[in-house]
Amino acid sequence: GAVVSQHPSRVICKSGTSVKIECRSLDFQATTMFWYRQFPKQSLMLMATSNEGSKATYEQGVEKDKFLINHASLTLSTLTVTSAHPEDSSFYICRGAGSSYNEQFFGPGTRLTVL
Amino acid sequence: GQQLNQSPQSMFIQEGEDVSMNCTSSSIFNTWLWYKQDPGEGPVLLIALYKAGELTSNGRLTAQFGITRKDSFLNISASIPSDVGIYFCAGSGGDYKLSFGAGTTVTVRA
Repeated sequence: GAVVSQHPSRVICKSGTSVKIECRSLDFQATTMFWYRQFPKQSLMLMATSNEGSKATYEQGVEKDKFLINHASLTLSTLTVTSAHPEDSSFYICRGAGSSYNEQFFGPGTRLTVL
Repeated sequence: GQQLNQSPQSMFIQEGEDVSMNCTSSSIFNTWLWYKQDPGEGPVLLIALYKAGELTSNGRLTAQFGITRKDSFLNISASIPSDVGIYFCAGSGGDYKLSFGAGTTVTVRA
């Protein structure tokens, strides 16, 4: 069945470095990709929405220059956390949406730890 | 997105019990969804509801879309150990953008 993969699943980096997270839709075309951040024991908070070939729309309070989103194709979206700091440590999850609510899937998440 | 009010925040289950959780919102939604998230993984869709009043089952899970379109509940019947996890409700206005509840953590009672 259709799934969404994320890579890497875990990443540890030093403060000030940039980290790229890839999200790929398999067996379906993700017209829209949503990126979420989830802190421990909390719900998912939407960071941004991107449509293939367009600029991402960011939620209030999310810095677009810090969290760079690229949605170059219907099967790949990337989130780059630039100049990461310890407070950026979180669980980042993408969700690809196709043509119906039954064709939308979350990725397995990426655990980012910034030292 | 807007937070939904989900309750209870946590619950303990004993194998074989029926459990229930619900979500309310001050806004109307066109679609309600229920997800389960296991530790360290992304949420998995359990049930999607598209019409007010709709009652839908998926195995031992049953969910209903409230008549007012501002609430939904999820029932788990005859719970088993693998039902533990965090359950999230989510509402959508129709653009695939979701607003999530805070989650209900289900744990096995010792």
